[in-house]
Amino acid sequence: AQKVTQAQTEISVVEKEDVTLDCVYETRDTTYYLFWYKQPPSGELVFLIRRNSFDEQNEISGRYSWNFQKSTSSFNFTITASQVVDSAVYFCALSDDIHYNQGGKLIFGQGTELSVKP
Amino acid sequence: DTGVSQNPRHKITKRGQNVTFRCDPISEHNRLYWYRQTLGQGPEFLTYFQNEAQLEKSRLLSDRFSAERPKGSFSTLEIQRTEQGDSAMYLCASSLVSGVNEQFFGPGTRLTVL
Repeated sequence: AQKVTQAQTEISVVEKEDVTLDCVYETRDTTYYLFWYKQPPSGELVFLIRRNSFDEQNEISGRYSWNFQKSTSSFNFTITASQVVDSAVYFCALSDDIHYNQGGKLIFGQGTELSVKP
Repeated sequence: DTGVSQNPRHKITKRGQNVTFRCDPISEHNRLYWYRQTLGQGPEFLTYFQNEAQLEKSRLLSDRFSAERPKGSFSTLEIQRTEQGDSAMYLCASSLVSGVNEQFFGPGTRLTVL
């Protein structure tokens, strides 16, 4: 069965600190996709990144970076120089490969609530 | 606005009543998903459509729940004989069928069953 675990329920940092959000996943599929979504206080889930299982290259986008390690089934998310606007709940999610008539639903972790204080 | 829209945004109902929610996906997206999110938890998959065909239903979707997407465009989710345990945020998402499954979410409908 597919499963995503985000062991950190809440994290609190002071502005400008770096913070890493952990994500560990379980799947028997050889092809799969991993995602991070942000849910600000307004409630709407915002897509941040997608990574497929064949691409273990780390990615950086501005202050955000992602570390995908297949050997440890982890897909961790780091925010560098955090800002108050980064305060939100962050979800890691897993999806199986899409075939024409099957696949594609997202399995979410429990989420990590990040609070960035000024 | 060309994002996913959901109506109503909030619904308060009494136990035993029926409720219906609507989701309008991004226009060119042929996949539409429904999720349920309770407080402090991640969204949980309920069901999804590819065009008008409902391809998968979660075991969370009891027989009191029904979803339709009659013309492959908007979708409705109906809950009959609501129970207090149905109180949650109901999220809709849409995506293209491609090798990648980037889902775009709507703002959700918050249901409170009294």
